[in-house]
Amino acid sequence: AQSVAQPEDQVNVAEGNPLTVKCTYSVSGNPYLFWYVQYPNRGLQFLLKYITGDNLVKGSYGFEAEFNKSQTSFHLKKPSALVSDSALYFCAVRDMGGGSYIPTFGRGTSLIVHP
Amino acid sequence: DAGVIQSPRHEVTEMGQEVTLRCKLISGHNSLFWYRQTMMRGLELLIYFNNNVPIDDSGMPEDRFSAKMPNASFSTLKIQPSEPRDSAVYFCASSYTGGELFFGEGSRLTVL
Repeated sequence: AQSVAQPEDQVNVAEGNPLTVKCTYSVSGNPYLFWYVQYPNRGLQFLLKYITGDNLVKGSYGFEAEFNKSQTSFHLKKPSALVSDSALYFCAVRDMGGGSYIPTFGRGTSLIVHP
Repeated sequence: DAGVIQSPRHEVTEMGQEVTLRCKLISGHNSLFWYRQTMMRGLELLIYFNNNVPIDDSGMPEDRFSAKMPNASFSTLKIQPSEPRDSAVYFCASSYTGGELFFGEGSRLTVL
């Protein structure tokens, strides 16, 4: 079985400050991890993914995420937040050895960046 | 590529009417997902196709919902008869098998 948790429904940060959106996962085998962003009235957009290799993954719009196997986490980060980063963020996981190609999504975290 | 294309973007209908939502996949993608999003339930997977074959339809709410892939680039989701509780935003997404998903802009359905 595979699962993902986003422990915060909402994250508030001031513009220019660093931001972190948390994600933890559970899989039987090795994880295939994703982050997506959803702006209002839009579909989800792929931001970045971790398959293997370097634990720090860089993605679109200056976002990055760090894979931590011991803590089973894949937190999304950005050094300096912009008001335009305000959106809904989804973490997703797929078990590479699970035989299913269906990712499991978290419930989403609403990021609000204040001017 | 134009990305995943969904139609209609907005649909308002009355209870009992048939609703058909359409999705055009990104060329070359062989996996297709239909999702439903509401404030109360979040993002729910309805059905997953791989190479035009339905692999997992356990999320389809009931027999009123049906989905088809008549060819490799096109899918439909049909609700018949529609009910007010079906009101939601319906997304389709395509991918290469196992890869990241590319979502359409969604079809917002309102059933009165």
